[in-house]
Amino acid sequence: EAQVTQNPRYLITVTGKKLTVTCSQNMNHEYMSWYRQDPGLGLRQIYYSMNVEVTDKGDVPEGYKVSRKEKRNFPLILESPSPNQTSLYFCASSAINSPLHFGNGTRLTVT
Amino acid sequence: KQEVTQIPAALSVPEGENLVLNCSFTDSAIYNLQWFRQDPGKGLTSLLLIQSSQREQTSGRLNASLDKSSGRSTLYIAASQPGDSATYLCAVRKTSYDKVIFGPGTSLSVIP
Repeated sequence: EAQVTQNPRYLITVTGKKLTVTCSQNMNHEYMSWYRQDPGLGLRQIYYSMNVEVTDKGDVPEGYKVSRKEKRNFPLILESPSPNQTSLYFCASSAINSPLHFGNGTRLTVT
Repeated sequence: KQEVTQIPAALSVPEGENLVLNCSFTDSAIYNLQWFRQDPGKGLTSLLLIQSSQREQTSGRLNASLDKSSGRSTLYIAASQPGDSATYLCAVRKTSYDKVIFGPGTSLSVIP
């Protein structure tokens, strides 16, 4: 089944403790991206990647890192999480001229 | 800078009504526009993708139109059902591998 898989679904952590949210797709898509969704602010893009080893900043990249060493994986790294990074995070992927496919989301709470 | 708005923010209709959701964007130089559905606490499901060269796309009871020159897209839902209750978002892209800008969404409630 074609899908975008994020892990974990839920994560509670403390300020400053490094964490990684994984994202994997099995559709051989070139494009992958990360979003955060917050009440009243909607969906905002954090980072995106056009292919292996090619990444670019979205609208809210501060406090996040990404890497694209393989085509199928695009992990989101929070080196020193802060409470304002508490949010619902989504990973998505697409090929050229095709729809964006979203994962089921990761709900992150930073205390 | 591209901005995307959606009107109305919320809509409540009785079952069986036809309805229209609106999406506006400020920069008409888009590559494509996509409509999504999101159920509470869930991920986004793609409904329709319209390329910049297209005027409309249809899938079942859904029809999406695109008018690039005026910066508008509409999502038409025919014969609405309670199962259509969800938040509907539109998103635009400037190039095939560019940033994706989302609208704030329209929360739809279809009353049985």
